[in-house]
Amino acid sequence: RKEVEQDPGPFNVPEGATVAFNCTYSNSASQSFFWYRQDCRKEPKLLMSVYSSGNEDGRFTAQLNRASQYISLLIRDSKLSDSATYLCAVMRPPSNTGKLIFGQGTTLQVKP
Amino acid sequence: DARVTQTPRHKVTEMGQEVTMRCQPILGHNTVFWYRQTMMQGLELLAYFRNRAPLDDSGMPKDRFSAEMPDATLATLKIQPSEPRDSAVYFCASGLVGGLAGEQYFGPGTRLTVT
Repeated sequence: RKEVEQDPGPFNVPEGATVAFNCTYSNSASQSFFWYRQDCRKEPKLLMSVYSSGNEDGRFTAQLNRASQYISLLIRDSKLSDSATYLCAVMRPPSNTGKLIFGQGTTLQVKP
Repeated sequence: DARVTQTPRHKVTEMGQEVTMRCQPILGHNTVFWYRQTMMQGLELLAYFRNRAPLDDSGMPKDRFSAEMPDATLATLKIQPSEPRDSAVYFCASGLVGGLAGEQYFGPGTRLTVT
């Protein structure tokens, strides 16, 4: 089993839709989680950090489910500009190493 | 707006040649990471430094890859000799890591093609 797993998609949704991605992790001792956005041929850009149960920033909500060992990213009112690959990253314990393990990414296509 | 910078942005070289990639981390960040990204393997951590000291390079093929941080403003990743299978995008990232905090900020990457 991979340390961090994501459904690669693609998720094809119409503008205005709500879409959610999940990311599962295998190490129950992990405490820090991140979502990154990566556009084609660009670098990953930090979208959100999740340290406790969740985080919200505008149309984006990230939630952590420790019992089931997954984090989710919810995007409301999808825009065309949200089309990208979304990478989740989990900090491998012990937390002070800073070592992030990335999932393979989930591709989102928002259609007009 | 502080950013991680990387040079060169693109590099095409022949098998057997030496390749050096450079990275300037964000000022004040204590940790610098080198990643490689390919379609097949995704984003893989190669090596990282804390306060310029190497912490972990277990992700790197030791026989041909080397990473150094000669000063706080420069990290280098060298491949000698390069092989076609090294073709990938190499990202440098930096972060102020401590406790639970682990946000990393990526540079634009070096797109390497080895023929």
